[in-house]
Amino acid sequence: AQSVSQHNHHVILSEAASLELGCNYSYGGTVNLFWYVQYPGQHLQLLLKYFSGDPLVKGIKGFEAEFIKSKFSFNLRKPSVQWSDTAEYFCAVTENTGGFKTIFGAGTRLFVKA
Amino acid sequence: DGGITQSPKYLFRKEGQNVTLSCEQNLNHDAMYWYRQDPGQGLRLIYYSQIVNDFQKGDIAEGYSVSREKKESFPLTVTSAQKNPTAFYLCASRPGGVGELFFGEGSRLTVL
Repeated sequence: AQSVSQHNHHVILSEAASLELGCNYSYGGTVNLFWYVQYPGQHLQLLLKYFSGDPLVKGIKGFEAEFIKSKFSFNLRKPSVQWSDTAEYFCAVTENTGGFKTIFGAGTRLFVKA
Repeated sequence: DGGITQSPKYLFRKEGQNVTLSCEQNLNHDAMYWYRQDPGQGLRLIYYSQIVNDFQKGDIAEGYSVSREKKESFPLTVTSAQKNPTAFYLCASRPGGVGELFFGEGSRLTVL
């Protein structure tokens, strides 16, 4: 069965520190990959997505992610975090077949200290 | 404005009662999804639908039911068979098979 694993459930960083959040998925077929962010009291919104092509994708607010097919990974990075990046981050995978089932990881709560 | 409307935002029910959560979208999206969000467990897929009159079970469908009679509507019923129904429920939609999901504001159900 398809699954998505996010390795860090809680991360605390100081402003200007670098961020890397891990995401691994298990599914042998073609997938589309996403990172969503949920700021306190707000909707889930898309941070970035990968469908095909360049495995390094850039999203909003300086975030980027790298798809490594051989490792079934799609890690999220940001060189220098800000206090406003405090949020919960979710990795998601869509099977590129049939019903286009989309499942999410358990999420990572990021707290950035000012 | 185009978007996804979930109602009610807050709902309290007694144990043993069925409740129906509404999800309406005016984005003309084909696909709609229901997720349950619990602390530390992320979003878990309950049901999803790609077209009218067709839907598939997600990973935690037991105790839930849905219908898709209209493109814009995908109501979720939490039945009395759901053993732990207290949760935050999110509805989402997307234009076609792939692409980003657009989320509603969610419905928080508390069973007393």
